[in-house]
Amino acid sequence: EVQLVESGAGLVQPGGSLRLSCAASGFTFSDYDMHWVRQVTGKGLEWVSVIGTAGDTYFPDSIKGRFTISRENAKSSFHLQMDSLRAGDTAVYYCARGARGVAYVVFDYWGLGTLVTVSS
Amino acid sequence: DIQMTQSPSSLSASVGDRVTITCRASQNINSYLNWYQQKPGKAPKLLIYGASRLQSGVPSRFSGSGSGTDFTLTISSLQPEDFATYFCQQSYTTPSPTFGGGTKVEIK
Repeated sequence: EVQLVESGAGLVQPGGSLRLSCAASGFTFSDYDMHWVRQVTGKGLEWVSVIGTAGDTYFPDSIKGRFTISRENAKSSFHLQMDSLRAGDTAVYYCARGARGVAYVVFDYWGLGTLVTVSS
Repeated sequence: DIQMTQSPSSLSASVGDRVTITCRASQNINSYLNWYQQKPGKAPKLLIYGASRLQSGVPSRFSGSGSGTDFTLTISSLQPEDFATYFCQQSYTTPSPTFGGGTKVEIK
């Protein structure tokens, strides 16, 4: 059974940093692109980042330069390092698996999410 | 960025009703459109990918259609477990997808 479990929730002041982790199980982790997606409470979803199987990384312009993403295939986990946090980064952060066998982004499994609150 | 607009933002329906949700893209996205279901406190669940392909394990009462800019998700006969929020997502701009604002399906 595929499982994704996020950790690293917390309250942080504006300008601060936080590191989220996602532990994966039930599949060959190194074979998949892995993503972070966030959701402001009661609002829609926003894609945050992806790390490919070769370690290539991508971010939307609103996040580029503030967040970094990394993976540890030996531990079937990946991480989101968030720096220079702003109030607008407050959200539930989900890790999600990118489906294989399709040439476009499809999130076929998601974690339950972890809450990040940026406030003074 | 490609904007995704869902309508309605919410709807009330009864068990057994046929429900249709619409998603419109701000530009042509071919068939690169996926649908997800989200229940409170739960992870989103993939229902449909590639506009009309049913994800394994998803009941056949769910179907998707459309191409270009206009897409629909249809639930042929609403069941109690289908009351949830539904999101569309375009993946034309890989690797940076965008989502619609969501449609909340409530019990009438």
